[in-house]
Amino acid sequence: GDSVTQMEGPVTLSEEAFLTINCTYTATGYPSLFWYVQYPGEGLQLLLKATKADDKGSNKGFEATYRKETTSFHLEKGSVQVSDSAVYFCALKTTSGTYKYIFGTGTRLKVLA
Amino acid sequence: NAGVTQTPKFQVLKTGQSMTLQCAQDMNHEYMSWYRQDPGMGLRLIHYSVGAGITDQGEVPNGYNVSRSTTEDFPLRLLSAAPSQTSVYFCASSYSFGTSPTEAFFGQGTRLTVV
Repeated sequence: GDSVTQMEGPVTLSEEAFLTINCTYTATGYPSLFWYVQYPGEGLQLLLKATKADDKGSNKGFEATYRKETTSFHLEKGSVQVSDSAVYFCALKTTSGTYKYIFGTGTRLKVLA
Repeated sequence: NAGVTQTPKFQVLKTGQSMTLQCAQDMNHEYMSWYRQDPGMGLRLIHYSVGAGITDQGEVPNGYNVSRSTTEDFPLRLLSAAPSQTSVYFCASSYSFGTSPTEAFFGQGTRLTVV
């Protein structure tokens, strides 16, 4: 079945460091891909999305490119801030039958000042 | 615009008790769903609905029941609470674009403890 695999956390970085959180997926067809962010005590918020191969989603300095050939959607940011500390979830929306969202296990990011 | 509203935010139940987690959205979204979030397991789909009167099971439906009598509301019922149902529960909704739902909008979550 469809699945999402993302890197284990926690990831601890210093402020202004470069961030990469890896995400790969297994799916039939061409799913839409998402990154969600969860701040402490809150629900998930959409960070960015891509709906077809080679699309680049971007928001708040974060970017991710839909790579069909490597079935990946890695999240990157050139310079993280303390306020980026949160849990990040990679997700896909299935394309077959009744549409469902499948989430990865989440990666906790901690940014130190 | 309230978005997706879940109540209560926190709840403690005794084993065997029943309760209903409420979820309401004011965005006229057709798709609604319930997830549970457990450490190291991400979000797992419990039940979902593609419109009023239509529901279906997700990945982990046992011990839960849902109904969708209106577009706005999608309550989740725990029939007989068990400690294994201790979790954080999230309700989400999506609007449709053509025949496919777009990104999901989440509520703030309900933290449930079963003792």
